[in-house]
Amino acid sequence: GQQVMQIPQYQHVQEGEDFTTYCNSSTTLSNIQWYKQRPGGHPVFLIQLVKSGEVKKQKRLTFQFGEAKKNSSLHITATQTTDVGTYFCAAPSNTGNQFYFGTGTSLTVIP
Amino acid sequence: NAGVMQNPRHLVRRRGQEARLRCSPVKGHSHVYWYRQLPEEGLKFMVYLQKENIIDESGMPKERFSAEFPKEGPSILRIQQVVRGDSAAYFCASSPVQGWAFFGQGTRLTVV
Repeated sequence: GQQVMQIPQYQHVQEGEDFTTYCNSSTTLSNIQWYKQRPGGHPVFLIQLVKSGEVKKQKRLTFQFGEAKKNSSLHITATQTTDVGTYFCAAPSNTGNQFYFGTGTSLTVIP
Repeated sequence: NAGVMQNPRHLVRRRGQEARLRCSPVKGHSHVYWYRQLPEEGLKFMVYLQKENIIDESGMPKERFSAEFPKEGPSILRIQQVVRGDSAAYFCASSPVQGWAFFGQGTRLTVV
């Protein structure tokens, strides 16, 4: 079945350093979404990417969708303690009835 | 997103009891999804419903688990004869169209 691989699983950074998480699929995706989940919290939708090569920015966050629409990345510039949490990518199934979530990247920011 | 209301937030059940998890989607959203999350793991799809219809239940165990989204009232995820392995966080998500969704705060089920 369709799988979405996400790396790294864990990332510890000093406050102010940059952070990147990568998401890869074996199949071409119609779109990809990114969510953030704080410890003990629930997933919060961040963004959806649809177009090949698309790049979107939200303040210090930069989201990219690969040219082949098989991979995506989330980059955070100059991390802050408020960025702590687990970042998930999610890709739709062929039917669009469900979303396959990546395993997530847990970000720890050391003050 | 605060718009999706799940209750209870925490639920403790003894083995063999039934668990009923409720989800009220954002007003006007007709698409509801249920996901299960084990500690330190990602979210696993369980079921996708629209009003009065189960669209895709491929992620839901065939036995003991059922879901509904009636014309009136919240969506219900029902787990009969719970076992310790059912302990997890259960998240409901809703959307106005098929696609990205707002998640509720989840129900943390503990089976003792």
